[in-house]
Amino acid sequence: ELKVEQNPLFLSMQEGKNYTIYCNYSTTSDRLYWYRQDPGKSLESLFVLLSNGAVKQEGRLMASLDTKARLSTLHITAAVHDLSATYFCAGDRSGGGADGLTFGKGTHLIIQP
Amino acid sequence: KAGVTQTPRYLIKTRGQQVTLSCSPISGHRSVSWYQQTPGQGLQFLFEYFSETQRNKGNFPGRFSGRQFSNSRSEMNVSTLELGDSALYLCASSPGSLLDGYTFGSGTRLTVV
Repeated sequence: ELKVEQNPLFLSMQEGKNYTIYCNYSTTSDRLYWYRQDPGKSLESLFVLLSNGAVKQEGRLMASLDTKARLSTLHITAAVHDLSATYFCAGDRSGGGADGLTFGKGTHLIIQP
Repeated sequence: KAGVTQTPRYLIKTRGQQVTLSCSPISGHRSVSWYQQTPGQGLQFLFEYFSETQRNKGNFPGRFSGRQFSNSRSEMNVSTLELGDSALYLCASSPGSLLDGYTFGSGTRLTVV
């Protein structure tokens, strides 16, 4: 059974600072996803990481995947208030989604001016 | 293009009643999966349908069921509602191949009183 563990679960940081959210998973996962959720809203897809060494960047967010270490990271560069949200990582065990996504508990990120 | 549409957005039901939620995937997407989100348990996989067939089901009691129609629209049904079924129910659609991610709908917030 795939287990996904995120840390930290809560993060308060100042604008302009850099930080990293970590996502460890227990068994082989075909793909690793990062999602963002604003309060009361749905999940917005940020990144899909398919292979070892994959690195993707969008604006101030960069995600990477190390399948050997079973670790994915979401790095935030020069944080701004608009990035305040809850961030989830998720893995799936079979291509195509038959087994569904297994989510971490989420990292609640607050960015203060 | 149109996203994933879930109806209704909000629902209040009484214990013991049953409820049906609807999800219309992105046009051309054949995979639809359902998730339950609660503060205590986080995001949990309910089931996944592909071309009208349930491919997998999460660890939920038999009161939770679903189906998918030939146009890929999906419904989930919860019978004999319990207070603990109060949650945000999210539907996700995907074309179904290894390279694709999942797009989530806005969700249905179910409150059981």
